[in-house]
Amino acid sequence: DAGVIQSPRHEVTEMGQEVTLRCKPISGHNSLFWYRQTMMRGLELLIYFNNNVPIDDSGMPEDRFSAKMPNASFSTLKIQPSEPRDSAVYFCASSTPSGQLEDVDEQFFGPGTRLTVL
Amino acid sequence: AQSVAQPEDQVNVAEGNPLTVKCTYSVSGNPYLFWYVQYPNRGLQFLLKYITGDNLVKGSYGFEAEFNKSQTSFHLKKPSALVSDSALYFCAVRDLGDYKLSFGAGTTVTVRA
Repeated sequence: DAGVIQSPRHEVTEMGQEVTLRCKPISGHNSLFWYRQTMMRGLELLIYFNNNVPIDDSGMPEDRFSAKMPNASFSTLKIQPSEPRDSAVYFCASSTPSGQLEDVDEQFFGPGTRLTVL
Repeated sequence: AQSVAQPEDQVNVAEGNPLTVKCTYSVSGNPYLFWYVQYPNRGLQFLLKYITGDNLVKGSYGFEAEFNKSQTSFHLKKPSALVSDSALYFCAVRDLGDYKLSFGAGTTVTVRA
């Protein structure tokens, strides 16, 4: 298995531009998570999908952030308009089927997208 | 609410010496505990987890962790550290009643040759 795939690996953009980050979870995994990692705040959960449905988006910082999962093999995180404080590494992670609370399976992380907003 | 504390920002050890990375947790119910490692410019990699049963959990790359309920700790250990173990280590906890993983701030491990 190729693992969780994220693209692009690096993104440099100017303030005000739209940014779209992409994620392909591991095949068969029905739970998908988007995280943001910064030096100041560490790892933050942005949004959680189960069976393509957003379950918890309370971690999404502002309305400028949106995420979609149109099918089981693809998700996007969009920032519009982007701001310098959005600069961070964004990780996508997936975990094994069901995502039920009684299942305690580890999350598998992608390599991340390093976003720099100038 | 659930939380994790990693009291040490950095741990430095000599190659061949034992390595310990500390973690304490707080949950309202039964804890599910995890350790992840992050190498530079890479995503987090799963090392091991504690769900139930034996308090000593063995994982990847020779790492193990001991669950101590009375001390609410889940310290990561390796008997003999390698230079290649130098990385950022994260402890994480999940409560039985939650799907979210709460991560610690991370501990940077440096193993010198």
